[in-house]
Amino acid sequence: QVQLVQSGAEVKKPGASVKVSCKASGDTFTTYGISWVRQAPGQGLEWMGWISAYNGNTNYAQKLQGRVTMTTDTSTSTAYMELRSLRSDDTAVYYCTLGATVWGQGTLVTVSS
Amino acid sequence: EIVLTQSPGTLSLSPGERATLSCRASQSVSSSYLAWYQQKPGQAPRLLIYGASSRATGIPDRFSGSGSGTDFTLTISRLEPEDFAVYYCQQYGSSGTFGQGTKVEIK
Repeated sequence: QVQLVQSGAEVKKPGASVKVSCKASGDTFTTYGISWVRQAPGQGLEWMGWISAYNGNTNYAQKLQGRVTMTTDTSTSTAYMELRSLRSDDTAVYYCTLGATVWGQGTLVTVSS
Repeated sequence: EIVLTQSPGTLSLSPGERATLSCRASQSVSSSYLAWYQQKPGQAPRLLIYGASSRATGIPDRFSGSGSGTDFTLTISRLEPEDFAVYYCQQYGSSGTFGQGTKVEIK
């Protein structure tokens, strides 16, 4: 069964960048797209974007255009999400999901001066 | 961008009762690309329904989804203790926006 394992918690200062990784076990990495979803403390879910591991096509949430980049490394079955120019309201748990059925454990990113 | 509005915000029910959750879109959701998720505290979301009405693998048949266009419904026929959680709808036909969630709490 496919599992997604994300990188550990991060603490960043405003204006910095963060790169979260999401490693897939199993051989379905290129079959489905990887989506990234975040959840601020006590808030709802926010879709950030999607990347095809097959051809690298991306679709980003309009709100994050210009600040987010999603990439994949098929040789290691790993997806990455980089968010730049961090602000305090980027503090959230960041999830990767494969085909919406398999989810990573979440990565807490805290942005604080 | 399609905006999804869920109602009610909170639903207070007893185990065994029927829950009806609504999700309304600001414009038509293409090809019924509408999903429902359940989320419990400290856990990742769990996919329940996709394509507006298809149950995901392993989801009990007390969960059902219906609707098309701009109006969608998630029904839980008889609430079990483990069903008390927050439920989100998501459209994935045009980007992937989520509704704000409905909390189903024990009355």
